[in-house]
Amino acid sequence: DTGVSQNPRHKITKRGQNVTFRCDPISEHNRLYWYRQTLGQGPEFLTYFQNEAQLEKSRLLSDRFSAERPKGSFSTLEIQRTEQGDSAMYLCASSPPPPATNEKLFFGSGTQLSVL
Amino acid sequence: GQQLNQSPQSMFIQEGEDVSMNCTSSSIFNTWLWYKQEPGEGPVLLIALYKAGELTSNGRLTAQFGITRKDSFLNISASIPSDVGIYFCAGQLYSGGSNYKLTFGKGTLLTVNP
Repeated sequence: DTGVSQNPRHKITKRGQNVTFRCDPISEHNRLYWYRQTLGQGPEFLTYFQNEAQLEKSRLLSDRFSAERPKGSFSTLEIQRTEQGDSAMYLCASSPPPPATNEKLFFGSGTQLSVL
Repeated sequence: GQQLNQSPQSMFIQEGEDVSMNCTSSSIFNTWLWYKQEPGEGPVLLIALYKAGELTSNGRLTAQFGITRKDSFLNISASIPSDVGIYFCAGQLYSGGSNYKLTFGKGTLLTVNP
């Protein structure tokens, strides 16, 4: 049973650089989510995909952030011109298709981003 | 927006003790969930609650969905060292098409002394 896979696990970058993270959801899950978690906080919703369609983006997702899921399988999250405030754990989660309800999220281990 | 207040922020207990933590919200939720997160990992679902007043158990864990739909608690009985981690409550509101978003609390850090 392969869970949600995220790469890389850790990323250190300099301010102003672009970074891209990848998420491979559980294979039969058509729903995919990105959350961000900072130290001492719970995860915060960023965006949601159903198949390849991005159905919602949080206001937390500034114009520097873009997420894609081109074939409805893996997803990428890109941050352009990174800022120190972008330092966080970026969590990907997936959930199974209907008729299953969508509250039971399966999270990956996250990508820890540090912007210097 | 919706906010979840989770308490206590942290707990340090002896192995074998029972633990209780709770979560309150400024607004109602349709579903309450409890997740556990260990260092360097993503959260893992422990219990999901769907109806006001519902009491659900998962092994040594018991959680309840408050009658007002604005709160939930989680109890852990006879704690063991592997219970160490951060416990998050999360709520889901069915609001039009936006029923996929979970709102998380800030977590309760549990430390168990063997």
